[in-house]
Amino acid sequence: GAVVSQHPSWVICKSGTSVKIECRSLDFQATTMFWYRQFPKQSLMLMATSNEGSKATYEQGVEKDKFLINHASLTLSTLTVTSAHPEDSSFYICSARIKASGRPWEQFFGPGTRLTVL
Amino acid sequence: AQSVTQLDSHVSVSEGTPVLLRCNYSSSYSPSLFWYVQHPNKGLQLLLKYTSAATLVKGINGFEAEFKKSETSFHLTKPSAHMSDAAEYFCVVTSLNQAGTALIFGKGTTLSVSS
Repeated sequence: GAVVSQHPSWVICKSGTSVKIECRSLDFQATTMFWYRQFPKQSLMLMATSNEGSKATYEQGVEKDKFLINHASLTLSTLTVTSAHPEDSSFYICSARIKASGRPWEQFFGPGTRLTVL
Repeated sequence: AQSVTQLDSHVSVSEGTPVLLRCNYSSSYSPSLFWYVQHPNKGLQLLLKYTSAATLVKGINGFEAEFKKSETSFHLTKPSAHMSDAAEYFCVVTSLNQAGTALIFGKGTTLSVSS
């Protein structure tokens, strides 16, 4: 149980285009989903926290107009990288928290999406 | 502010020998601490967690960690390394931000296991 999927697993796009990444909780309802960014050989950096039905909370330094997050249902959150540039190339990972689990620290991670912007 | 420092970016061991991955934490309150493992092209997997219960925590695949408040450490150990243990390991601490409970990741330690 508690499986999180991401789609696509990897994407290559041209500079200036927008890319949408989906994060789905397959067998549970997730009131909260998180988006992380991981550069090669580096740690995961939290970009934003997404609560179902409300606006995402972005971490300091993350451009909300650049990285659009939508959490329209209890099983789906999307991250759209708008007007992508080569410096946006990275590994994007989502995670989800089970609704009313009583364990606020518990997150289940997706396998990640590798974005390469040419 | 909460943070974790993983003291080694890379650890190399031989198969069958003990593993020690070191982590120190900084927290203004009693923290929850975790170790996650990341294999190539796979999602992060929780190895073990400390949430203010027993200080010696046993996890999956034979790993364990001991929470030492006096040393602000949460080192990960395993008595005997296996080739399949080669991966990236992250020490993680919880933090409270405006959105609720968040996870703060260390920079990671790459574990290499040779035969």
